[in-house]
Amino acid sequence: NAGVTQTPKFQVLKTGQSMTLQCAQDMNHNSMYWYRQDPGMGLRLIYYSASEGTTDKGEVPNGYNVSRLNKREFSLRLESAAPSQTSVYFCASSDYGGETEAFFGQGTRLTVV
Amino acid sequence: AQSVTQLGSHVSVSEGALVLLRCNYSSSVPPYLFWYVQYPNQGLQLLLKYTSAATLVKGINGFEAEFKKSETSFHLTKPSAHMSDAAEYFCAVSLYGNNRLAFGKGNQVVVIP
Repeated sequence: NAGVTQTPKFQVLKTGQSMTLQCAQDMNHNSMYWYRQDPGMGLRLIYYSASEGTTDKGEVPNGYNVSRLNKREFSLRLESAAPSQTSVYFCASSDYGGETEAFFGQGTRLTVV
Repeated sequence: AQSVTQLGSHVSVSEGALVLLRCNYSSSVPPYLFWYVQYPNQGLQLLLKYTSAATLVKGINGFEAEFKKSETSFHLTKPSAHMSDAAEYFCAVSLYGNNRLAFGKGNQVVVIP
């Protein structure tokens, strides 16, 4: 029972490079999310997808794009990485409805130099 | 929009002493409230949640939290701290029909032997 799986776990990019963070869940959840975690800032929502075929901006969407490929997969793309995007990125999923808990992946630690 | 305030980024507690982490929320409608725990280099996992049933909620590892509408609070407590409680703790809020979790900035708990 894998839950939420993120790849890669670690990545170093040079400024201006692009990359895609992958996320897949096997719990048949409708909603998926991308958060970034920075020291002293908690988790901030980048983008989310309430259901297959829909995506919406969160609190800090600038510099990112997302794709909800199917019900299982939700990817996050950095088109031109910047040092300010150095962070730990978490993917999460939940059933639709505010009362349901979110399940988190193990995170991707990204460093942009 | 809903929001969460957690005061005191670092909390030190002696082993065997009371753990108290404060969480206050802002919401125009009745919220759903969550506490998550994050151990080093891991994702977040649910400790407990309030979804309008009992106001005193018991979670895993001996933690509990009480929802107080009049104080807009959802403080987390554990009567006796254990070394294994050293982790970062996040309070989060969501609303009915809107499963976008808004997180507080977190409390890093250090347990002193």
